[in-house]
Amino acid sequence: DAGVIQSPRHEVTEMGQEVTLRCKPISGHNSLFWYRQTMMRGLELLIYFNNNVPIDDSGMPEDRFSAKMPNASFSTLKIQPSEPRDSAVYFCASRRTGEQPQHFGDGTRLSIL
Amino acid sequence: DQQVKQNSPSLSVQEGRISILNCDYTNSMFDYFLWYKKYPAEGPTFLISISSIKDKNEDGRFTVFLNKSAKHLSLHIVPSQPGDSAVYFCAASVSSRGLTFGGGTRLMVKP
Repeated sequence: DAGVIQSPRHEVTEMGQEVTLRCKPISGHNSLFWYRQTMMRGLELLIYFNNNVPIDDSGMPEDRFSAKMPNASFSTLKIQPSEPRDSAVYFCASRRTGEQPQHFGDGTRLSIL
Repeated sequence: DQQVKQNSPSLSVQEGRISILNCDYTNSMFDYFLWYKKYPAEGPTFLISISSIKDKNEDGRFTVFLNKSAKHLSLHIVPSQPGDSAVYFCAASVSSRGLTFGGGTRLMVKP
């Protein structure tokens, strides 16, 4: 079975540009999570969805960050405008609601110049 | 405020010996704990978990112990193998919400 699929794997862009990260959860999983990993803060939860509805976005750092889940098989994390401090590895994870564990994708390494 | 802490950034162990990775937490509302293993350029891979109603869970070479009174959990790997060399993350959750991660411990198993 396919795991969580994230794209792109790497993204390098200039400050001020819009960045869109994509995630396809495991089929049948109805909870989806976005995490960010940085040297300073480690792995931290940004937002999670249950059945396509955002449940907790308290980890989203600023209004420049937004996430959507238009259907059960696709989610996006958008940064507009991007800043150098947004450089990090962004992970998406999914699971069936109420079950553990979460399964992670291989991440998107984002570099903002 | 770090709610989950892994105080040892690295650990080196000889092949065949036991590896013990430790994790402390502060939030008494955590009811589920997990260990993930991570290789470079890959996402975290689930290893083993434990519910707060238990104090031990075993899966092959991996055992997780939970001491709720001390707010402490540990992962034991016996015997350790070179392929176990990776970064190990402790994580905790409240009522199946998002995970709170520790900072990770890099395990190196020497042949």
